[in-house]
Amino acid sequence: DGGITQSPKYLFRKEGQNVTLSCEQNLNHDAMYWYRQDPGQGLRLIYYSQIVNDFQKGDIAEGYSVSREKKESFPLTVTSAQKNPTAFYLCASSTHGQGSNYGYTFGSGTRLTVV
Amino acid sequence: SQKIEQNSEALNIQEGKTATLTCNYTNYSPAYLQWYRQDPGRGPVFLLLIRENEKEKRKERLKVTFDTTLKQSLFHITASQPADSATYLCALHATPGRRALTFGSGTRLQVQP
Repeated sequence: DGGITQSPKYLFRKEGQNVTLSCEQNLNHDAMYWYRQDPGQGLRLIYYSQIVNDFQKGDIAEGYSVSREKKESFPLTVTSAQKNPTAFYLCASSTHGQGSNYGYTFGSGTRLTVV
Repeated sequence: SQKIEQNSEALNIQEGKTATLTCNYTNYSPAYLQWYRQDPGRGPVFLLLIRENEKEKRKERLKVTFDTTLKQSLFHITASQPADSATYLCALHATPGRRALTFGSGTRLQVQP
């Protein structure tokens, strides 16, 4: 089955530590996205990538970094510069173009907690 | 960029009734608007996409309307069931030149048996 896989499901980070969240898709989608969701809030865009080796900052990119070396993979690193990283992180992918009738496909999320 | 506004208060309805959720945006009309369902602790699931030249779109018990004059989309679930209880998010391209969706904060729907 095609889909998008996020791992781990739960992650605990110590103060001052960098952590990397994994996102892999086998849908052959060109575009991939990272969103952050805080309790009772909507999704906020961190980074997105329309094509391999290219990515753009979203609304809350500070303290985060990404890479897009392969079409299938879009890992997100939460650095020690991110002061309030505790949140639910969602990865998504999509096909290109406004001709598509399909929305984003989301992973099941990673819940990150600072301890 | 523009704002997307969804009613933050939960909507409680009786089973069998029609649920109507609202999504308002503030500035330019997007080329299309999408609706998603999100269950607690899960990622959103795409439901429907409606384009600016479409007044209405249906999928089974779901119906979406798009009024570019009012800058509003309505999302209807007819013959609602307890299994329809979830948070429903609308999404659109809110920032010119940015090819990524901006999501509303969602409205939680609770269908009582």
